[in-house]
Amino acid sequence: DQQVKQNSPSLSVQEGRISILNCDYTNSMFDYFLWYKKYPAEGPTFLISISSIKDKNEDGRFTVFLNKSAKHLSLHIVPSQPGDSAVYFCAAREGNTGKLIFGQGTTLQVKP
Amino acid sequence: NAGVTQTPKFQVLKTGQSMTLQCAQDMNHNSMYWYRQDPGMGLRLIYYSASEGTTDKGEVPNGYNVSRLNKREFSLRLESAAPSQTSVYFCASTELSYEQYFGPGTRLTVT
Repeated sequence: DQQVKQNSPSLSVQEGRISILNCDYTNSMFDYFLWYKKYPAEGPTFLISISSIKDKNEDGRFTVFLNKSAKHLSLHIVPSQPGDSAVYFCAAREGNTGKLIFGQGTTLQVKP
Repeated sequence: NAGVTQTPKFQVLKTGQSMTLQCAQDMNHNSMYWYRQDPGMGLRLIYYSASEGTTDKGEVPNGYNVSRLNKREFSLRLESAAPSQTSVYFCASTELSYEQYFGPGTRLTVT
């Protein structure tokens, strides 16, 4: 039973437009949510996080929104750039163990 | 700083062979992790070590063993490789327990 789900395997957007990546979770005990970015043949790199007590966190072109009642979070990238093309993983931290649970990933393609 | 390093980068094994994947970090982190990444499955935790001297099972530990050799190094051993263990393996470390730093990965094929 997957506790963190990314239901869209892929997303394609035009350069300069907004990219919205979505993630759903089932466990109310997660205390932090994170987004990681992964290029081919490299390890994932941390992008942005949000505490479960917040509903928004912004860092430059990247904003993460958390809707706890819907158990849903999203990553907005504005404006999207070709260099943003990568696989994006959503992850949630178990508050009691500190372990991260990852979603399946969404492949973002930003077209010039 | 090299961050998190993993060796080897690529490996091909025959069914039943054994091997050890090596991981080292130079960030003085307490916690280290081993994940596998399979298509459509995301990253799944195999084993982790919250601190030197401790190890715990993750989501998919069967067929693997780990050793936290010291604070820097955390190795993953496959005693008898199976085709189902064909995957990309990532090691990670953290001090804050949520922002994990990942190595470049080891691509393992078991035939």
